Amino acid sequence: EVQLVESGGGLVQPGRSMKLSCAASGFTFSDYYMAWVRQAPKKGLEWVASISYEGSSTYYGDSVKGRFTISRDNAKSTLYLQMNSLRSEDTATYYCARHGAALDYWGQGVMVTVSS
Amino acid sequence: DIQMTQSPSVLSASVGDRVTLNCKASQNINKYLNWYQQKLGEAPKLLIYNTNNLQTGIPSRFSGSGSGTDFTLTISSLQPEDFATYFCFQHNSWPYTFGAGTKLELK
Repeated sequence: EVQLVESGGGLVQPGRSMKLSCAASGFTFSDYYMAWVRQAPKKGLEWVASISYEGSSTYYGDSVKGRFTISRDNAKSTLYLQMNSLRSEDTATYYCARHGAALDYWGQGVMVTVSS
Repeated sequence: DIQMTQSPSVLSASVGDRVTLNCKASQNINKYLNWYQQKLGEAPKLLIYNTNNLQTGIPSRFSGSGSGTDFTLTISSLQPEDFATYFCFQHNSWPYTFGAGTKLELK
């Protein structure tokens, strides 16, 4: 059974950093691109970033480019999102997703609140 | 960036109705359009990928069509569990983008 479990969220002050993790199981992690998608409270979905199989290629949404870094550790089957210079508008539930022909499996999400 | 426009934003319907949700891309995205269903407090669920491919385990009352810039999701006979919000998503070119969603509510 495919499982994606996010962790690392919580309350953080504007301008600070936070790192999210996503532990994957039930599939060969290195065979898939992976992605982060977020959803602000009562808002729609926003694709944040994707990463290739070995991590050599990364892609970002305009709103996070230069502040967020997606990475992965295939030995640990874990996806990461390093978030720097956080802003109030980054407040959202962050989902990790497996990236095959589609974002086909999603984690349950982790909440990040940016507030002083 | 490619903009995805969904219509209507809210759709009121009854159990048993046939409904069509629309998604329009600001430029050609070929077949690379997915549909997701999201219920309150849950993660999105993939329904249709690459325009018209039904994800494993999804009921056959869901179908997708379209090409280029105009796409539709059809639910042939609404069931009580189908009332939710539906999002389209393009993965033809970076940055990938979602539509704003269509909320399907009980009339």
